[in-house]
Amino acid sequence: DVKVTQSSRYLVKRTGEKVFLECVQDMDHENMFWYRQDPGLGLRLIYFSYDVKMKEKGDIPEGYSVSREKKERFSLILESASTNQTSMYLCASRLSGANVLTFGAGSRLTVL
Amino acid sequence: DAKTTQPPSMDCAEGRAANLPCNHSTISGNEYVYWYRQIHSQGPQYIIHGLKNNETNEMASLIITEDRKSSTLILPHATLRDTAVYYCIVRPANQAGTALIFGKGTTLSVSS
Repeated sequence: DVKVTQSSRYLVKRTGEKVFLECVQDMDHENMFWYRQDPGLGLRLIYFSYDVKMKEKGDIPEGYSVSREKKERFSLILESASTNQTSMYLCASRLSGANVLTFGAGSRLTVL
Repeated sequence: DAKTTQPPSMDCAEGRAANLPCNHSTISGNEYVYWYRQIHSQGPQYIIHGLKNNETNEMASLIITEDRKSSTLILPHATLRDTAVYYCIVRPANQAGTALIFGKGTTLSVSS
């Protein structure tokens, strides 16, 4: 089974802190994604990467950056966390162009 | 992606069939219908997809109308563990370099 592992299930950070959310997949998938999910808003795409060192902005990239130095790892970075970034963050991966995504369990971030 | 319309919520009694509708009246000839679900506090999970023929797997059945403008996901014997948000997405089979967009889905509540 494809596995997508998000490093932290729950995090609590302070305003202004730099936050790293790590995601690792073990099936050699080319494409990886970061979404955030908030009540009433559904899943919103932050960034995605279709290959190593490639990245594309999604619908809500402001306040975030990403890093894809290795194929299996896709990191989401909050340079200076703010309270409006309190959310559930979901990482996903897929084979290039395929529409079957495999998601991680999610990382629930609280910014105080 | 072609737009889909789903009811915001549905109820189902345990053991009965759950029929979740999705309207996709602007679907193009090369676009498939995909279904995902998200159980509370977990990442979304792929269920099934189809082009024009009905499809069945161990999780569900997918019925697509002849004109392909709508579809129904059927959970034949719903259990409490099927309580989740169900997402319907239409998209070409292979579209590298772009991401799936999730709408707000249908919240299915299964009760005993």
